[in-house]
Amino acid sequence: KQEVTQIPAALSVPEGENLVLNCSFTDSAIYNLQWFRQDPGKGLTSLLLIQSSQREQTSGRLNASLDKSSGRSTLYIAASQPGDSATYLCAQSNSGGSNYKLTFGKGTLLTVNP
Amino acid sequence: DTEVTQTPKHLVMGMTNKKSLKCEQHMGHRAMYWYKQKAKKPPELMFVYSYEKLSINESVPSRFSPECPNSSLLNLHLHALQPEDSALYLCASSPFISLRTATYEQYFGPGTRLTVT
Repeated sequence: KQEVTQIPAALSVPEGENLVLNCSFTDSAIYNLQWFRQDPGKGLTSLLLIQSSQREQTSGRLNASLDKSSGRSTLYIAASQPGDSATYLCAQSNSGGSNYKLTFGKGTLLTVNP
Repeated sequence: DTEVTQTPKHLVMGMTNKKSLKCEQHMGHRAMYWYKQKAKKPPELMFVYSYEKLSINESVPSRFSPECPNSSLLNLHLHALQPEDSALYLCASSPFISLRTATYEQYFGPGTRLTVT
């Protein structure tokens, strides 16, 4: 059974700090890895998607990396802002017949303090 | 337009009621999904529609009945629900689910908060 683990479960940082969120997965047959942001009681906002052939993706202050050999992905947030406070979820889809099916981690609750 | 819309935002229903959740996207996506999310848990896949046909049912109880009337609309019909069905119901869409070169990036709606009394 494939599992996705996110560490830490919660993180509190002062504004302006650079931070890294971690995601690990057990199934090496990864198709892509998608990072989402979720505000309380809201839907998911897609932040970055990394295909299995890629090593990283960047969007603004966000950088996501993928290391298939170690089963890890990281989301780097530069110069954090209070508006970045949210739950961050990573989700893996696998190669084979179910590329569309996402397995989610439980998320990291990020709080950026002014 | 990269938006998935869902209505209603909130729904309270009794166990004998029949109600429907609605999802709409105009991105030309041909795959649409229903997820259920309990508090402080990740989303769980319920159904997948591909080209308006049900392709995946994740062993969901029959009191949940999905419908895809056209390529832009996805409904979830609810009947005889239980209090434990109270959750945030999320709809998502992606460009394809069968093309090998596709990324299958999923775009989510804001969700419907369902409370069953």
